[in-house]
Amino acid sequence: EAGVVQSPRYKIIEKKQPVAFWCNPISGHNTLYWYLQNLGQGPELLIRYENEEAVDDSQLPKDRFSAERLKGVDSTLKIQPAELGDSAVYLCASSFNSATEQYFGPGTRLTVT
Amino acid sequence: SQQGEEDPQALSIQEGENATMNCSYKTSINNLQWYRQNSGRGLVHLILIRSNEREKHSGRLRVTLDTSKKSSSLLITASRAADTASYFCATGTGANNLFFGTGTRLTVIP
Repeated sequence: EAGVVQSPRYKIIEKKQPVAFWCNPISGHNTLYWYLQNLGQGPELLIRYENEEAVDDSQLPKDRFSAERLKGVDSTLKIQPAELGDSAVYLCASSFNSATEQYFGPGTRLTVT
Repeated sequence: SQQGEEDPQALSIQEGENATMNCSYKTSINNLQWYRQNSGRGLVHLILIRSNEREKHSGRLRVTLDTSKKSSSLLITASRAADTASYFCATGTGANNLFFGTGTRLTVIP
């Protein structure tokens, strides 16, 4: 069974540029999460989807971050414009439902210069 | 903060020894999960223990949960070099979100 797929794996951009990350969850998983992980820290939730509905986006900086999950499968996370402080690893995870274990993708390491 | 806190921050042991990591949290939880993260395989789920459970085993892993003390421990027995990784506890709340701690960095010396 394929795991959670994320792309790109690495991205280097200049500040003020836009960037987008893509995630394909495990087939059949209804819940999808985007996390941000800074160096030496644990992941922090940005947004959680139940199917195509964003049910918790309270930690998403909405002035520059946006996300979508069309058709309740793949998801994209966008930052526009990127700031230096956005440099981090962006992780996508999925689960069968929100009360079960989560399966994480390899992440996208973003460097903003 | 609802975030769990792991203790110690770093642990170095010889191969074959046991490793114990602790996690403390502040709010009521539905479950507590342990994850492992290394550069090779990313973040991997290890074990989930529900709030009404006190102990759970999975292979060489043993997890305990004391909700009265708001704490959990992860024991890895007979450690191997491949166990070298960062270990995170994550608390699952009523809103079904996970809150991760800052992790314990385990190094197993061959």
